Amino acid sequence: GESVGLHLPTLSVQEGDNSIINCAYSNSASDYFIWYKQESGKGPQFIIDIRSNMDKRQGQRVTVLLNKTVKHLSLQIAATQPGDSAVYFCAENPNFGNEKLTFGTGTRLTIIP
Amino acid sequence: DVKVTQSSRYLVKRTGEKVFLECVQDMDHENMFWYRQDPGLGLRLIYFSYDVKMKEKGDIPEGYSVSREKKERFSLILESASTNQTSMYLCASSPRGTLLNNEQFFGPGTRLTVL
Repeated sequence: GESVGLHLPTLSVQEGDNSIINCAYSNSASDYFIWYKQESGKGPQFIIDIRSNMDKRQGQRVTVLLNKTVKHLSLQIAATQPGDSAVYFCAENPNFGNEKLTFGTGTRLTIIP
Repeated sequence: DVKVTQSSRYLVKRTGEKVFLECVQDMDHENMFWYRQDPGLGLRLIYFSYDVKMKEKGDIPEGYSVSREKKERFSLILESASTNQTSMYLCASSPRGTLLNNEQFFGPGTRLTVL
């Protein structure tokens, strides 16, 4: 999972396998969550989002699971490909009456050919 | 497609210089944000703006100021650059509205090195 610190959590997965990236969020009042993907030298790109009234949402090859009881978010990537290698961030909207997002520190996913 | 552009991809400045980082978005978004990104620390919010001429401090505003004279443009200013401001700077924008998703659209980033 993600944590604050100087070292980025890393995950290495064999090409074709499924990967799961975890994120613990901080605010039980958060009502909206996003996963971003950041490739080397680029800005973060939106992957998938989920609102707090849902437990699961699926996209193309990606699934986000939300467990509000333990404030946990996960991103599942099916049949990983080399292009999935990137840093993945979760973000939450703490619902403080504005539209700021709070970001996790990120997890580096490396796909092994 | 939403497009957020930043004026420079790479920038090298000297300590004490005044530095301007420019960001432009073409989607008529009300909200704009400046973050810095450092290894292991993720994205930290410096300033954000929810309308023209409006701004609010983020989590780490010290040493920075911002300007939003036009809706599409949000500038980050380092009044007197210091070496600890060497970082990747990311600009983002998003539409306003509690009924809308708060997805933020990011620019490609400016890697600033202060010598």
